[in-house]
Amino acid sequence: NAGVTQTPKFRILKIGQSMTLQCTQDMNHNYMYWYRQDPGMGLKLIYYSVGAGITDKGEVPNGYNVSRSTTEDFPLRLELAAPSQTSVYFCASSYVAGGPYEQYFGPGTRLTVT
Amino acid sequence: KNQVEQSPQSLIILEGKNCTLQCNYTVSPFSNLRWYKQDTGRGPVSLTIMTFSENTKSNGRYTATLDADTKQSSLHITASQLSDSASYICVVSAKSGGYNKLIFGAGTRLAVHP
Repeated sequence: NAGVTQTPKFRILKIGQSMTLQCTQDMNHNYMYWYRQDPGMGLKLIYYSVGAGITDKGEVPNGYNVSRSTTEDFPLRLELAAPSQTSVYFCASSYVAGGPYEQYFGPGTRLTVT
Repeated sequence: KNQVEQSPQSLIILEGKNCTLQCNYTVSPFSNLRWYKQDTGRGPVSLTIMTFSENTKSNGRYTATLDADTKQSSLHITASQLSDSASYICVVSAKSGGYNKLIFGAGTRLAVHP
């Protein structure tokens, strides 16, 4: 199993550009998540999904959109990139979301907006 | 407000020495507490997950403790190795209906020197 994979690893965007961060998991997990990690801060939840076709906002959803058309894929879309979106983005997945479930993280995408 | 605070922010130790990292939390209602290891440029990887009823849990040279009364946890690393150099993140899960929200600490950055 590859686990959770993310592409690209690095990206530099100009202000106002758009892009999609890709996330795929091969563990047949129902739950998938997008986090951002800013320097010196804990991870913050952007969006999550409880299954194909179902998504919901996390703590910091503004400026982002998601979709979940399949169990495996959970892309994160940035529209009109802003410098405040410079961060490292992690995708994660879990089989369930209640109790002491294990959450598996991808390797991250480092995004710089200039 | 749900918060997870970790100390120290950073720590340098010599190879072979032991160390203890601290985590204090104000999260309610508490579901479980986990420690993650995050290598530079990688996603977090779970070390231990403890529920309310567990007060200690080990994973090799890593031992986590939990005092649910004082809302404190610690991660003890025994006989440190160079490969232990990483950030260690304390994460507390709060019950929220069918989905347990994770609150991340900012992490302790550990450097093990030869």
